[in-house]
Amino acid sequence: QVQLQESGPGLVKPSQTLSLTCTVSGGSISNSNYYWNWIRQPAGKGLEWIGRVYTSGSTNYNPSLRSRVTISLDTSKNQFSLDLNSVTAADTAVYYCARGRWPDYWGQGTLVTVSS
Amino acid sequence: QSALTQPPSASGSPGQSVIISCTGTSSDVGGYNYVSWYQQHPGKAPKLMIYEVSKRPSGVPDRFSGSKSGNTASLTVSGLQAEDEADYYCSSYAGSNNPCVFGTGTKVTVL
Repeated sequence: QVQLQESGPGLVKPSQTLSLTCTVSGGSISNSNYYWNWIRQPAGKGLEWIGRVYTSGSTNYNPSLRSRVTISLDTSKNQFSLDLNSVTAADTAVYYCARGRWPDYWGQGTLVTVSS
Repeated sequence: QSALTQPPSASGSPGQSVIISCTGTSSDVGGYNYVSWYQQHPGKAPKLMIYEVSKRPSGVPDRFSGSKSGNTASLTVSGLQAEDEADYYCSSYAGSNNPCVFGTGTKVTVL
């Protein structure tokens, strides 16, 4: 059974970089032809797709966030990560990592607050 | 790329059916058979209920079904049960430059 777990700071200061890691267990991130996604949800609001990385390392990003986002794989640790720079209060949200073109396995989510 | 449009709320009594619409454009919903639906209970991660318009992942009850006509996709929940009360989101592929666009979400209430 594949499991995903997000980790990273719960508080980030404005203008800094938000960095999260998703650790995958129950399967190898490099031996499977899957997309690995980051998705976020501000409190009381809807889902927003941030971007994804394929097993090969190729990436796709939400056009509205593309200039600030980097998603990458670390196959040695069976992890993938999200970096979002120049954050503002509008980036405060629960951040989810998820597997698949139509994400079928999700992490539990981690709340990141942007505040000084 | 704007979010896909869903009604804010829908409701039905136990045993009844509820239909949730998801309206996009010819650049997303209407252009590809790549619509998926997610169920989200409060405080929980979303769960995939339908993918590729009408396919159900293993373990999803056949009370959940999906369809599409033109630029609008629909999720039908038949035989409503109390545990179906949740938020539902659609998503669609919108081209290689924007592979995933979510809908605005619909809160389903079981009366």
